Amino acid sequence: AQSVTQPDIHITVSEGASLELRCNYSYGATPYLFWYVQSPGQGLQLLLKYFSGDTLVQGIKGFEAEFKRSQSSFNLRKPSVHWSDAAEYFCAVGMRANNLFFGTGTRLTVIP
Amino acid sequence: GAGVSQTPSNKVTEKGKYVELRCDPISGHTALYWYRQSLGQGPEFLIYFQGTGAADDSGLPNDRFFAVRPEGSVSTLKIQRTERGDSAVYLCASSFRNRSYNEQFFGPGTRLTVL
Repeated sequence: AQSVTQPDIHITVSEGASLELRCNYSYGATPYLFWYVQSPGQGLQLLLKYFSGDTLVQGIKGFEAEFKRSQSSFNLRKPSVHWSDAAEYFCAVGMRANNLFFGTGTRLTVIP
Repeated sequence: GAGVSQTPSNKVTEKGKYVELRCDPISGHTALYWYRQSLGQGPEFLIYFQGTGAADDSGLPNDRFFAVRPEGSVSTLKIQRTERGDSAVYLCASSFRNRSYNEQFFGPGTRLTVL
């Protein structure tokens, strides 16, 4: 069965510090992998996606993620966090045009 | 261009009542998805339309939930005999299906509260 695990429910970082949000998945094959961000009152916005090829993918807002097949992980990173990055982050997996399976999310708090 | 829109943004109803939630996808998107997001959880898949037909409704929790997309554009999620456990944010997404992948664009959601 498919599953997505985001082990960190809540992370607090200082503005300017680096960030890594963890995501592990369980799937029958190598799925398509996504990171979404959800700000209060806003819809989910796609940050980046991985389908194949280079395992380090770049996204919007300075985010990147690395796919590691051996660890079934797809961790999200940002070298320097901005206060506007405070939001809920969701990792998701899917296959082609099918539905997405989401993790439970990681809430990011940014302190000045 | 316009994104996915959902109406109403908030809906408060009483237990046992019937509700309809509407989703307007991005123009030209052939695929439409409904998800439900309970408090503190990630979105959970409900149903997926390709055109007018439901391609996958395996996520609908029971027969009180039903969704239609009669003309292949706007979709309505219908919930009969609402229960307090139905309280959640209902998200709609759409995508332009192609052969390699689907990038789903999400609407802002409808917050349903069942009293």
